[in-house]
Amino acid sequence: ETGVTQSPTHLIKTRGQQVTLRCSSQSGHNTVSWYQQALGQGPQFIFQYYREEENGRGNFPPRFSGLQFPNYSSELNVNALELDDSALYLCASSSDDREETQYFGPGTRLLVL
Amino acid sequence: SQKIEQNSEALNIQEGKTATLTCNYTNYSPAYLQWYRQDPGRGPVFLLLIRENEKEKRKERLKVTFDTTLKQSLFHITASQPADSATYLCALDNSGTYKYIFGTGTRLKVLA
Repeated sequence: ETGVTQSPTHLIKTRGQQVTLRCSSQSGHNTVSWYQQALGQGPQFIFQYYREEENGRGNFPPRFSGLQFPNYSSELNVNALELDDSALYLCASSSDDREETQYFGPGTRLLVL
Repeated sequence: SQKIEQNSEALNIQEGKTATLTCNYTNYSPAYLQWYRQDPGRGPVFLLLIRENEKEKRKERLKVTFDTTLKQSLFHITASQPADSATYLCALDNSGTYKYIFGTGTRLKVLA
């Protein structure tokens, strides 16, 4: 176990709705990255937060947004859900002294109908 | 254009043999390259990291090589076991940014 937890494990939404996914980082980790993984594909980088500030973003539209809290837990928010947003959403955390190594949570499976 | 490629076809090997998986990349300058294991419906599990100035890294039955001239990494599992069956992902960070780009993964099946 990596110590990274995510909630909920599964979620079903309909097109146009909004969703919030949560991640609790491993203790002592102040960097969190979020990824989207479609079926049969590798994870795609959405964005990264470091000490509550966004620290880089992948090729995702602004309706994907995030927050990191002082206790280093974080949220991924997706507005105006589209069918193609159906995927496994993963968060990964890393620490200052080993930034190059990230540890993933189990993911949240989102289905958009 | 930038690409990171892994064999999309599944790799089937006999128990006890060495599995070799390939990761090729184009138009990236990775400072780090990582290998992960992923089981169905689960998050990736970190296995090994290799830096751009390292040629080879080992951990128990695992070995990773990194050739920045060929722009390729090879991942070996020696004395493979059915429990090694999973999808293996390679990921690289572009120029030391710690924001990782993943390949699509190769599914490995070790036959008893």
